[in-house]
Amino acid sequence: QVTLKESGPVLVKPTETLTLTCTVSGFSLSAVRWDVMGVTWIRQPPGKALEWIAHILSNDEKSYNMSLNNRLTISKDTSKSQVVLSLTNVDPEDTATYYCARIRIVGTAYYFDYWGQGALVTVSS
Amino acid sequence: DIQMTQSPSSLSASVGDRVTITCRASQRISTFLNWYQQKPGKAPKLLIFASNLHSGVPSRFSASGSGADFTLTISSLQPDDFATYHCQQSYRTPFTFGPGTKIDIK
Repeated sequence: QVTLKESGPVLVKPTETLTLTCTVSGFSLSAVRWDVMGVTWIRQPPGKALEWIAHILSNDEKSYNMSLNNRLTISKDTSKSQVVLSLTNVDPEDTATYYCARIRIVGTAYYFDYWGQGALVTVSS
Repeated sequence: DIQMTQSPSSLSASVGDRVTITCRASQRISTFLNWYQQKPGKAPKLLIFASNLHSGVPSRFSASGSGADFTLTISSLQPDDFATYHCQQSYRTPFTFGPGTKIDIK
């Protein structure tokens, strides 16, 4: 059974760094040649659309949403089955529910097939 | 970035209705288009990836389209289908989502 769970602070002050952890089970973050998958982070501000943030694949390929102005770092600890997302210099516009999800690749089609429950993060002083 | 739009933004429908939602990309994306269902306070769920029904998703859901114009169809709306539906392109990063289409009960 594939599960993902986000953890991290509920409240962060402006200019601080937000660090979120996604703990996965039911699949491996290690590279498997014939089945590339990974973890992606997506956020949703209250009442707004979903926004893709970043992903890291089992082959260590990383990709970031450059609209977040180079504030992002994504990494994984395969032994702990965890993916960590850091977002520096947060401001109130970063207030959102942050989801991690498994990313699958079939051919060249990417999709997000299992999602965590989400973690609401508020940026406020 | 590729911009995604959806229409309508919301609609009211009854159980048993056939419902179609449209998604449009700002540039051609071949068939790299996914659909998700989201209920209030819950995470999105994958319905369809690149016109393929995800495992466990009822066959009343179907999708079509290629290039820039896509549709999601629910052939006979069920009580569990009242939710918000999001399209998402996976043609190029940054992957982008549409604003969502909310289906509520008429």
